[in-house]
Amino acid sequence: DTEVTQTPKHLVMGMTNKKSLKCEQHMGHRAMYWYKQKAKKPPELMFVYSYEKLSINESVPSRFSPECPNSSLLNLHLHALQPEDSALYLCASSPQGGGGFTDTQYFGPGTRLTVL
Amino acid sequence: AQTVTQSQPEMSVQEAETVTLSCTYDTSESNYYLFWYKQPPSRQMILVIRQEAYKQQNATENRFSVNFQKAAKSFSLKISDSQLGDTAMYFCAFMEPYGGATNKLIFGTGTLLAVQP
Repeated sequence: DTEVTQTPKHLVMGMTNKKSLKCEQHMGHRAMYWYKQKAKKPPELMFVYSYEKLSINESVPSRFSPECPNSSLLNLHLHALQPEDSALYLCASSPQGGGGFTDTQYFGPGTRLTVL
Repeated sequence: AQTVTQSQPEMSVQEAETVTLSCTYDTSESNYYLFWYKQPPSRQMILVIRQEAYKQQNATENRFSVNFQKAAKSFSLKISDSQLGDTAMYFCAFMEPYGGATNKLIFGTGTLLAVQP
């Protein structure tokens, strides 16, 4: 089973709202990732959690706040977003987070976010 | 820094035909990992095939196979007997081995493949 689930599928929010994206995996993976993807572009890495600790933050604005409550769950808290933050947000997981062949990343279906 | 280049922004193929998507990369590493992901209009990024650089044998997964040319730093994807469900954006990606300077996937810009009936 290589399933990563994400909720919600679609989210529309105003610039003053606070919302959260959720990602879950039950593959026993110890690394989880958030990516942002604009239309017809490759995913851009935002954050990496390895063994529930934040290991990479790609200089993402503070209006995006990740949280990893346990090894199966990853949240992305959103606050005071801008219209340019509208994008597909993808979550992924991998066995370890240290790279390499066995650390293949498996992606969820994404959340389509629209900021008005 | 590692880079991945996909020189074909869009391609089209007739159903049941064979198509090859190109990917080149640049690295000074001797061991690394290469991946092809597909992203259909449904949005989910799906792993198609993966290759370890130290293995000379080209990876194969059903109708999908790669032509890995290490010296040329080339990693092309061949899709045989194309099906309508193969219509998708295809991303080539590179990763360093475990413990490398980065554990990031480096993506190419993608090739949009349309399979025509």
